[in-house]
Amino acid sequence: AQSVTQPDIHITVSEGASLELRCNYSYGATPYLFWYVQSPGQGLQLLLKYFSGDTLVQGIKGFEAEFKRSQSSFNLRKPSVHWSDAAEYFCAVRDNQGGKLIFGQGTELSVKP
Amino acid sequence: EAGVAQSPRYKIIEKRQSVAFWCNPISGHATLYWYQQILGQGPKLLIQFQNNGVVDDSQLPKDRFSAERLKGVDSTLKIQPAKLEDSAVYLCASTPDPSSYNEQFFGPGTRLTVL
Repeated sequence: AQSVTQPDIHITVSEGASLELRCNYSYGATPYLFWYVQSPGQGLQLLLKYFSGDTLVQGIKGFEAEFKRSQSSFNLRKPSVHWSDAAEYFCAVRDNQGGKLIFGQGTELSVKP
Repeated sequence: EAGVAQSPRYKIIEKRQSVAFWCNPISGHATLYWYQQILGQGPKLLIQFQNNGVVDDSQLPKDRFSAERLKGVDSTLKIQPAKLEDSAVYLCASTPDPSSYNEQFFGPGTRLTVL
């Protein structure tokens, strides 16, 4: 069965520092992968997605993610974090039957001044 | 373009009471999902509709949860009777169709607290 693991429950970074959030997936075929962000009291907003092609994908708000098949990973990165990036981040894989999303447990990002 | 609408945003009930949540997807989106997000976890699918038909309800606790999408547009999710473990955020999402290249658009969610 497909699954997604986000090893870090909570990460704190300083404003202006770089960020990497880890995501590992378990999937038999070529995965369709997503990163969503959830601010307090808000729904989920799509940051970026990977379907095929270039393994480095660019998203909104300056985020990027790299798909590495050999490591079953899809890590999210940002070169310089802003205080407004504090939120919960979810990695997800699309189920190959029906299209539902299977989410990781999320990583909460805190940004210190 | 209007987003996915959900109401109410917050609900507090006693256990064994009933509650209903409403979702209006983005206009023209044939596929609608209800996810349950328990505190500290990622969202998990409860039920998926394609137009007014159910595609996947394998994770829906059918002894207490029900959902409908009668006209293939808006949808209602009901819990009767509620249990303490039903405390969660209920997220509605929609997409034009469930093919690979379409993202799911999420509503703001309904936060349910069962006391």
